[in-house]
Amino acid sequence: AQSVSQHNHHVILSEAASLELGCNYSYGGTVNLFWYVQYPGQHLQLLLKYFSGDPLVKGIKGFEAEFIKSKFSFNLRKPSVQWSDTAEYFCAVMPYGNNRLAFGKGNQVVVIP
Amino acid sequence: IAGITQAPTSQILAAGRRMTLRCTQDMRHNAMYWYRQDLGLGLRLIHYSNTAGTTGKGEVPDGYSVSRANTDDFPLTLASAVPSQTSVYFCASSDSNAGELFFGEGSRLTVL
Repeated sequence: AQSVSQHNHHVILSEAASLELGCNYSYGGTVNLFWYVQYPGQHLQLLLKYFSGDPLVKGIKGFEAEFIKSKFSFNLRKPSVQWSDTAEYFCAVMPYGNNRLAFGKGNQVVVIP
Repeated sequence: IAGITQAPTSQILAAGRRMTLRCTQDMRHNAMYWYRQDLGLGLRLIHYSNTAGTTGKGEVPDGYSVSRANTDDFPLTLASAVPSQTSVYFCASSDSNAGELFFGEGSRLTVL
């Protein structure tokens, strides 16, 4: 079964700082990759996704992620965070042809005003 | 507003009781899922259904059952609740061709 690893479960940073969250997966075949965000007290919402094509994908709210196939990674970045980015971020992997998502354990991000 | 509706939003339950969490979607998605979310463990798949009439086991299916009698509804049943089933449960659906999952608002269940 595939697994998804997210490091640095708790991240605390100040507004305007840059954010990078790592995501690695352990599946050798073709995969679809996702980042979901969960704001406090809310359900998960899609931040961005990668299916094919340009490995640098841009999502909502200024987030982007880069797929590096050789490293089995799909890291999330934002150049300058805002207080409203305080949330939990989940990386997820879906093997091609299998419509079941496997989630990482999440990164709790707190942005201090 | 189209989307996924879960009920109840919150429930406290005595151990040993039977409980059904309801999930309804109006997007005509083929696939539906139940996840549980626990602190430090992320989201873990309990059961899924690729299409009406079929179901499958996920990562943590023990103690749970599901049914998919039609496209819209995907109830999750705890036959005899135990305290370790205290969690937040999320129902989700997807148009399997697109891959993206759409989530409900969650059901917070506490088993005492």
